[in-house]
Amino acid sequence: SQQGEEDPQALSIQEGENATMNCSYKTSINNLQWYRQNSGRGLVHLILIRSNEREKHSGRLRVTLDTSKKSSSLLITASRAADTASYFCATDAINYGQNFVFGPGTRLSVLP
Amino acid sequence: DTAVSQTPKYLVTQMGNDKSIKCEQNLGHDTMYWYKQDSKKFLKIMFSYNNKELIINETVPNRFSPKSPDKAHLNLHINSLELGDSAVYFCASSLARREETQYFGPGTRLLVL
Repeated sequence: SQQGEEDPQALSIQEGENATMNCSYKTSINNLQWYRQNSGRGLVHLILIRSNEREKHSGRLRVTLDTSKKSSSLLITASRAADTASYFCATDAINYGQNFVFGPGTRLSVLP
Repeated sequence: DTAVSQTPKYLVTQMGNDKSIKCEQNLGHDTMYWYKQDSKKFLKIMFSYNNKELIINETVPNRFSPKSPDKAHLNLHINSLELGDSAVYFCASSLARREETQYFGPGTRLLVL
């Protein structure tokens, strides 16, 4: 299985509800990032959280990091139809020779 | 102006052909990357490159080769294309290696027939 793995694979909610996506990883990391990918587009960086941080906010986004459990969560509050996209976590794993390792993503659908 | 641009946006070609995808970034970044995203949306790094170091993912066939004429460009050459090469290829850049936000291009959708 992969270094970064999002859960759930797909999530469907109503506009205005909160959406929570989780990411688990296997090895120690320097930082973890969340990206969004709209259909047919490239990835857009949302937020970076470093290994010594536990929580970070950016607008309607809240990211938590639990290094003891090797997991992170992305919370989108008051979701909008425009939030419909795939969300990926990427880990900068200390033991990986490459740069970032991306998970398979969570496909979020926000229904109007 | 687009920060990271790729051409072409779509590429349809026959098996066995050789093709190139171009990538340019105008962000002044030192490091560029190529990723492959398959039909299941898995995104895997192929190369990371700055003017000093090329790091190759060992799973990438040697039919794939990055070429960088200058710091702002990293092109991807693919020889003897195979059906399994069909995917979306993304170029990205960052200010430096590791611990940096990556900026992605719009992707090149390659279909090998």
